[in-house]
Amino acid sequence: DVKVTQSSRYLVKRTGEKVFLECVQDMDHENMFWYRQDPGLGLRLIYFSYDVKMKEKGDIPEGYSVSREKKERFSLILESASTNQTSMYLCASTTGFRETQYFGPGTRLLVL
Amino acid sequence: GNSVTQMEGPVTLSEEAFLTINCTYTATGYPSLFWYVQYPGEGLQLLLKATKADDKGSNKGFEATYRKETTSFHLEKGSVQVSDSAVYFCALTKGTSGTYKYIFGTGTRLKVLA
Repeated sequence: DVKVTQSSRYLVKRTGEKVFLECVQDMDHENMFWYRQDPGLGLRLIYFSYDVKMKEKGDIPEGYSVSREKKERFSLILESASTNQTSMYLCASTTGFRETQYFGPGTRLLVL
Repeated sequence: GNSVTQMEGPVTLSEEAFLTINCTYTATGYPSLFWYVQYPGEGLQLLLKATKADDKGSNKGFEATYRKETTSFHLEKGSVQVSDSAVYFCALTKGTSGTYKYIFGTGTRLKVLA
C-alpha cells in the first residue's frame, strides 16, 4: 500500500515564525502536491512538483515556498507565518498524469 | 477554466436510505473524474474514478457514471450506513504530463443517523 506521511498532525506557531511542513511518500511517485483545506473552499493547490528539484506554482502560492531535494520528500515552507495561514495542509502524491492521488493524514496548523 | 461544482451539504440521512450527491464539471475535452472520501481526522482517499465517457466507477457499494452529455458524475449508494458518514469530494484532472492539475469541489458532508 502507498503510504504518505506528514511530519506533524498538529502545529501551533507564532506570527512571523518560519514553519516547515514535511511530506514523505514511500512508493517512488514522481509527482507531489501541497494543498490547503478550508471550510467552504475545498482543497486549493499551493505548489506541486513533478520531479526532483522541479516545482510549479499552484493557485495560491503567495506566502509559501517548497523544496524537493529527494524524490520521496516534499517540504512546504511558510517563510513568515501569518494568522490567515491557519488551515489544514494536505500533501499528496501520484504516479503520473490522470492517476489517483494518495493523501497524507494532514497537518492542522494554528498560527497565533 | 476547469471547475467542479458539487451540492452543498450537510446531507443527513437515516441508515439504509438512498444517497445521491450531485457533481457537475466544466472542462474541455475528456478529463478523468474522481470521488474522494475524507473520514474524520484523516486525509482524502480515493473512493472511485472514471476515465472516459460512459465509464462507471464503483467501490464499497458506491457508484458514479461519467456522463459527457450532462457533464456530470453523480455519486450514488443504495443503502447508506453510519460508517459512511464523511466528507465527499468530486474532482477532475486534465492537462498534459508534467503540467496537469487536479481540481476539487468544495466537498459535501454526509451524516448518517442510526
